[in-house]
Amino acid sequence: KAGVTQTPRYLIKTRGQQVTLSCSPISGHRSVSWYQQTPGQGLQFLFEYFSETQRNKGNFPGRFSGRQFSNSRSEMNVSTLELGDSALYLCASRTESVSPWLFGPGTRLTVL
Amino acid sequence: AQSVSQHNHHVILSEAASLELGCNYSYGGTVNLFWYVQYPGQHLQLLLKYFSGDPLVKGIKGFEAEFIKSKFSFNLRKPSVQWSDTAEYFCAYGSSNTGKLIFGQGTTLQVKP
Repeated sequence: KAGVTQTPRYLIKTRGQQVTLSCSPISGHRSVSWYQQTPGQGLQFLFEYFSETQRNKGNFPGRFSGRQFSNSRSEMNVSTLELGDSALYLCASRTESVSPWLFGPGTRLTVL
Repeated sequence: AQSVSQHNHHVILSEAASLELGCNYSYGGTVNLFWYVQYPGQHLQLLLKYFSGDPLVKGIKGFEAEFIKSKFSFNLRKPSVQWSDTAEYFCAYGSSNTGKLIFGQGTTLQVKP
């Protein structure tokens, strides 16, 4: 089975722009979650989606949003980018609540 | 607030040495516990998981972890490390009610050949 895939792998944006990151879960996985990884804050939870519904949201400003499509693919959007948004954004998927989250390779976002 | 604490930020060992990385979590309800590893240049991979049952869980590559409920701990162990174990290790707690994972700060393990 193919793993979680994320596109693009690398992205460079300037302050004030917006960005959309994409995640394709493992086939058959209906739950998707997103995390932000930075050297200073570590791994922080952004969102969780199941069957196109956001089930949980982390403590991030409203500039961070996401959605999930009927095929379980997910996107996250960051508007009005700030320098501090530079990070590795990780997507994970799982089959059900008693299975572990499996992570993709991440999208490295650099904001200049 | 729920939190996960990893005792060591940076560990340096020689090959064949034994490894134990500490992890404590703050929440006392039903827990799901995980250790993930991030090798240099690679993505986060699941080492092992605990949901219920035998508190001693075995994972990939010879790693194991012991869940001690009374100590709120889930320490990772390996009897003999190899140079290829050089990586960053993350302990994570998952609530049974939400899908959110709370990660520890991570421990960087450097194994000298």
